[in-house]
Amino acid sequence: GIQVEQSPPDLILQEGANSTLRCNFSDSVNNLQWFHQNPWGQLINLFYIPSGTKQNGRLSATTVATERYSLLYISSSQTTDSGVYFCAVERVDNNDMRFGAGTRLTVKP
Amino acid sequence: DAGVIQSPRHEVTEMGQEVTLRCKPISGHDYLFWYRQTMMRGLELLIYFNNNVPIDDSGMPEDRFSAKMPNASFSTLKIQPSEPRDSAVYFCASSFSGAQHFGDGTRLSIL
Repeated sequence: GIQVEQSPPDLILQEGANSTLRCNFSDSVNNLQWFHQNPWGQLINLFYIPSGTKQNGRLSATTVATERYSLLYISSSQTTDSGVYFCAVERVDNNDMRFGAGTRLTVKP
Repeated sequence: DAGVIQSPRHEVTEMGQEVTLRCKPISGHDYLFWYRQTMMRGLELLIYFNNNVPIDDSGMPEDRFSAKMPNASFSTLKIQPSEPRDSAVYFCASSFSGAQHFGDGTRLSIL
């Protein structure tokens, strides 16, 4: 099956700092999504981004499908950004969604 | 708008008992997914439906697990008989044209 690797596994930031999270995948995909799992366990869809760039407030994401990676940018981080960020991909030939192991982000006040 | 609704939020039961988890997807969504999350294995896709039809159940761990979607607004995931290793958070998600939206999950503990 497709491999999904996220880096870094853990990240600690001071409030106000910027960060970049990376997701590498091993095969062609037609679906890539970024999720935030908050400290209460809720999974929130941040972006559906199989290719290109999208922005939503302080967050933006870029997927370069031909090079098999995606980046999630968080600017001016806030304590409420803390949690685990997951990248999930779906291979071109099926709907089997595979999640990476996540990046655990801690934003300190 | 209501999101994906799962019930119960928490379930604690003894091994050997039947467990039924329920999910109401977002109205109009044509895909429904069941996931399991554990510390050891992370988030795993168990099964998904398209227009109420099971498409891929290769992630279902054993015959003890079964899932149904009798109509567009309801799905169940059953475990019979349950075992302690089934303890996990079970998520239901639905989508229309790509972006998946998750329910709050059911935290299942099998004693």
